[in-house]
Amino acid sequence: EAGVVQSPRYKIIEKKQPVAFWCNPISGHNTLYWYLQNLGQGPELLIRYENEEAVDDSQLPKDRFSAERLKGVDSTLKIQPAELGDSAVYLCASSLGGTGRNEQFFGPGTRLTVL
Amino acid sequence: AQSVTQLDSQVPVFEEAPVELRCNYSSSVSVYLFWYVQYPNQGLQLLLKYLSGSTLVKGINGFEAEFNKSQTSFHLRKPSVHISDTAEYFCAVSESGAAGNKLTFGGGTRVLVKP
Repeated sequence: EAGVVQSPRYKIIEKKQPVAFWCNPISGHNTLYWYLQNLGQGPELLIRYENEEAVDDSQLPKDRFSAERLKGVDSTLKIQPAELGDSAVYLCASSLGGTGRNEQFFGPGTRLTVL
Repeated sequence: AQSVTQLDSQVPVFEEAPVELRCNYSSSVSVYLFWYVQYPNQGLQLLLKYLSGSTLVKGINGFEAEFNKSQTSFHLRKPSVHISDTAEYFCAVSESGAAGNKLTFGGGTRVLVKP
């Protein structure tokens, strides 16, 4: 069974440019998460989707970050414009259900460097 | 709000020696507890989880953890480490109930296994 797929794996951009990350969750997983992982720290939740609905986006900086999950499968996270402080790893995860008991499966992440 | 503290940011250990990684959490409700491992340039992989029942939980790769409710701890142990256990380890907690699918991570413990 394929795991969570993310692309690109690495991205280098200049500040003020836009950038987008793509995630394909495990087939059948209705819950999708985007996390931000700064160097040397644990992941922090940005947004959680149940199917196509964003049910928790309280930690998403909405002035520059946006996300969508069309048709409740793939998801895209966008930053526009990027700032130096956005350099981090962006992790996507998915789970079969929306309770705390359900294991979250993580993708390899996209490492963003903003110059 | 829930929080997780991993008391050691780095743990050097010799091959075949035992290791213990400490994790303490704070929450006002019942919790589920997880340990994840992250190898370089990879996503997080679940080692083990505590949902209910026996407080001693066994996971993959010879790891185990013990849930101690009175001390609000969930320490991870392995009796004999291998070079391949060199990685970063994250403790995480989610709360049972309606908001229970938000994982809160600790800051991570980097384990370096020396020959």
